[in-house]
Amino acid sequence: AQTVTQSQPEMSVQEAETVTLSCTYDTSENNYYLFWYKQPPSRQMILVIRQEAYKQQNATENRFSVNFQKAAKSFSLKISDSQLGDTAMYFCAFMKHEGYSTLTFGKGTMLLVSP
Amino acid sequence: EPEVTQTPSHQVTQMGQEVILRCVPISNHLYFYWYRQILGQKVEFLVSFYNNEISEKSEIFDDQFSVERPDGSNFTLKIRSTKLEDSAMYFCATRGVGELFFGEGSRLTVL
Repeated sequence: AQTVTQSQPEMSVQEAETVTLSCTYDTSENNYYLFWYKQPPSRQMILVIRQEAYKQQNATENRFSVNFQKAAKSFSLKISDSQLGDTAMYFCAFMKHEGYSTLTFGKGTMLLVSP
Repeated sequence: EPEVTQTPSHQVTQMGQEVILRCVPISNHLYFYWYRQILGQKVEFLVSFYNNEISEKSEIFDDQFSVERPDGSNFTLKIRSTKLEDSAMYFCATRGVGELFFGEGSRLTVL
């Protein structure tokens, strides 16, 4: 079974600054996906960024980037130039590569961006 | 952009009543899921569905729960006799290429 651990229940950052959210996972699989989802107060689940395990290059999406360390089973999210709208719960998630595999979520990190 | 649609957005029900939550998946997706999030807690897997049958289910998904896709469009989650602890946000998701697409969720409040 897979586990996903987010060790930071809450983080704070000031607008325009950079923040890094941590995530570690445990799996015996070699081929899988890792995700960061954002959940604002509306509670919708919004995909922020995705990483495929076989790709060595770290994924980036505008202000969002990841540091994927496969050997260490670490998958951190860096948010640059933080904006007030980034305030949300952030979930790290794991999914095996198989067709019907489910997502396994971490407990989440609440990020508060202040002016 | 195609999206997963869920109804109702919010339902309030009395304990012991039956509830049906509905989801319209993205049309060419084949794998469907239900997840649950109790307020302030993490998102938990309930069940996956493929080719009109359950592929996998968690220990949360007991006999009170059932899923079906009766008309080829709506994918439903039924809770037969709701309990207070069923109060949660329920998310439907469908699988594209290497990614799950989530609906906006249905908030269930059991009184």
